[in-house]
Amino acid sequence: EDQVTQSPEALRLQEGESSSLNCSYTVSGLRGLFWYRQDPGKGPEFLFTLYSAGEEKEKERLKATLTKKESFLHITAPKPEDSATYLCAVQELRGGATNKLIFGTGTLLAVQP
Amino acid sequence: EAGVAQSPRYKIIEKRQSVAFWCNPISGHATLYWYQQILGQGPKLLIQFQNNGVVDDSQLPKDRFSAERLKGVDSTLKIQPAKLEDSAVYLCASSRTSGGASEQYFGPGTRLTVT
Repeated sequence: EDQVTQSPEALRLQEGESSSLNCSYTVSGLRGLFWYRQDPGKGPEFLFTLYSAGEEKEKERLKATLTKKESFLHITAPKPEDSATYLCAVQELRGGATNKLIFGTGTLLAVQP
Repeated sequence: EAGVAQSPRYKIIEKRQSVAFWCNPISGHATLYWYQQILGQGPKLLIQFQNNGVVDDSQLPKDRFSAERLKGVDSTLKIQPAKLEDSAVYLCASSRTSGGASEQYFGPGTRLTVT
């Protein structure tokens, strides 16, 4: 069964204190791995798509990396406005047009000034 | 470019009542999704439409949930009758295409409370 596990469940950082969030996955074949940010009371906001092991993508203070079994979201010198829940999702490589995303439960990040 | 629109934003109903949610996707997006997000969990796909046809409804509880996208644009998700365990945020998302790893863009969601 396809599974996505995120760790830690919650993370508290001081402003400027860099860290990483982990997403481990088990799928029969990976079409893509997605990172989203979700603020309270809002829908998930798309951040990155990664397709193959070794791929990296960056956006401001965020950098996402991918291996064959896990992905990391590195946060460099975070600011309070980076506080949110970060969701990881995978899309399985399968026939047909289904685009089902399988989400993890997320990491709740709090950055204190 | 306008984002995905959903209404209402909040709804409180009693169990066994019915409720409907509306979604308008991003202009030009052929694929529309409904997800259910229970508090503390990640979203779970309920149904995927490609234009006005159903692509995947394998996780939709069809005895009480129904969805339609009659003209290939707006969509409605209905629950009848509602149960306590249906309390969740219902998220609508859209993407340009299906069948590939295209990004899905989410609306703000409708928070449903069943009492």
